Amino acid sequence: QLQESGPGLVKPSQTLSLTCTVSGGSISNGGYYWSWIRQRPGKGLEWIGHIYYSGNTFHNPSLKSRISISVDTSKNQFSLQLSSVTAADTAVYYCAGYTVTDNWFDPWGQGTLVTVSS
Amino acid sequence: QSVLTQPPSASGTPGQRVTISCSGSSSNIGSNYVYWYQQLPGTAPKLLIHRNNQRPSGVPDRFSGSKSGTSASLAISGLRSEDEADYYCAAWDDSLSGPKFGGGTKLTVL
Repeated sequence: QLQESGPGLVKPSQTLSLTCTVSGGSISNGGYYWSWIRQRPGKGLEWIGHIYYSGNTFHNPSLKSRISISVDTSKNQFSLQLSSVTAADTAVYYCAGYTVTDNWFDPWGQGTLVTVSS
Repeated sequence: QSVLTQPPSASGTPGQRVTISCSGSSSNIGSNYVYWYQQLPGTAPKLLIHRNNQRPSGVPDRFSGSKSGTSASLAISGLRSEDEADYYCAAWDDSLSGPKFGGGTKLTVL
């Protein structure tokens, strides 16, 4: 299971920070890229990026300059930081496991709404 | 704008068969597997079809996927009210060097 946590409200120009806690298995088992996906209100899904337990990261080029994804294997967690946010970053943010061998997203967290507003 | 193009909406009556299309390019659908996700209202997406036409365990055989060239389709037969959801196609995109989703199709069961 995956569970997102973090502030639900972020001010414009600040940094959005979210953490995903993985339970029921080790984040270091090597079977997943640990991913962040977002869904803006009324819109589709957008892959943000993902990280392997070793620390290798892969980012969506459209967001790359603002993204930082990290992993803490001791806590079985991975995190997202998105800098210089604007209202356009308001979205439901999901964490998910992207299987290394089969290339699908499963499992998913329940998602957390982050609103960017002053 | 999504690289994978889906119709924004689709509809059908109970028992009918509906199809949802997903159009891509040689850098995604044309050279990689297609996946389909179902998102029920207020919930996270759920994997419905993998590797173009394979169903995970627990997914009814009313759901089927196909791929031809740079396009793919999801078919739902024997439509039920509980199928009302948003459906997303996805594929690895070689240009993006990452997975890409379609814009989603909202299925309404009339």
